Amino acid sequence: AQKVTQAQTEISVVEKEDVTLDCVYETRDTTYYLFWYKQPPSGELVFLIRRNSFDEQNEISGRYSWNFQKSTSSFNFTITASQVVDSAVYFCALSRGNQGGKLIFGQGTELSVKP
Amino acid sequence: KAGVTQTPRYLIKTRGQQVTLSCSPISGHRSVSWYQQTPGQGLQFLFEYFSETQRNKGNFPGRFSGRQFSNSRSEMNVSTLELGDSALYLCASIPGTANTGELFFGEGSRLTVL
Repeated sequence: AQKVTQAQTEISVVEKEDVTLDCVYETRDTTYYLFWYKQPPSGELVFLIRRNSFDEQNEISGRYSWNFQKSTSSFNFTITASQVVDSAVYFCALSRGNQGGKLIFGQGTELSVKP
Repeated sequence: KAGVTQTPRYLIKTRGQQVTLSCSPISGHRSVSWYQQTPGQGLQFLFEYFSETQRNKGNFPGRFSGRQFSNSRSEMNVSTLELGDSALYLCASIPGTANTGELFFGEGSRLTVL
């Protein structure tokens, strides 16, 4: 069975601090995809990144970076120099290689960035 | 480029009633997925449609159903509503046929069952 665990339910930081959101996944598939989504109060899930199981390269996009490690089944997300606008719920998700429309989500981490 | 449109945004029903939610995907996208979001269960996959055919289904009772039209618009229906059906229902639009890309979500339909 597939499963995604985000152990951190809530995180609170002060602006400009760095923060890492943890994601651990379980799957027996060799081909799979990992995602991070951001959900602001409006409710819409905003896509941040997609990674396939064969690409373990870390990725950086502005203040955001992702660390994918198959050896520990983790796909962690770091925000550098956090800002108040980063406050949201962040979800990690997993899909099977041939079922991209079906995402298995973690429970989410609510990030609060205080000024 | 217009995003995913879900209607209605908010609605209130009573137990035993039924509800129909609508989703218009991004133009050119042929796949649509539906998700239920509740505080207790989180985000759960309901079903996925591609070219008017259900391609995948989650673990929900038969009261939850859906369909897709030839213009890719999709509807989901919940019959005999229960209090536990109160949730945010999210629709995702999926580009291409390879089924491995980014999902674009709408803002959801928030259903309250009294």
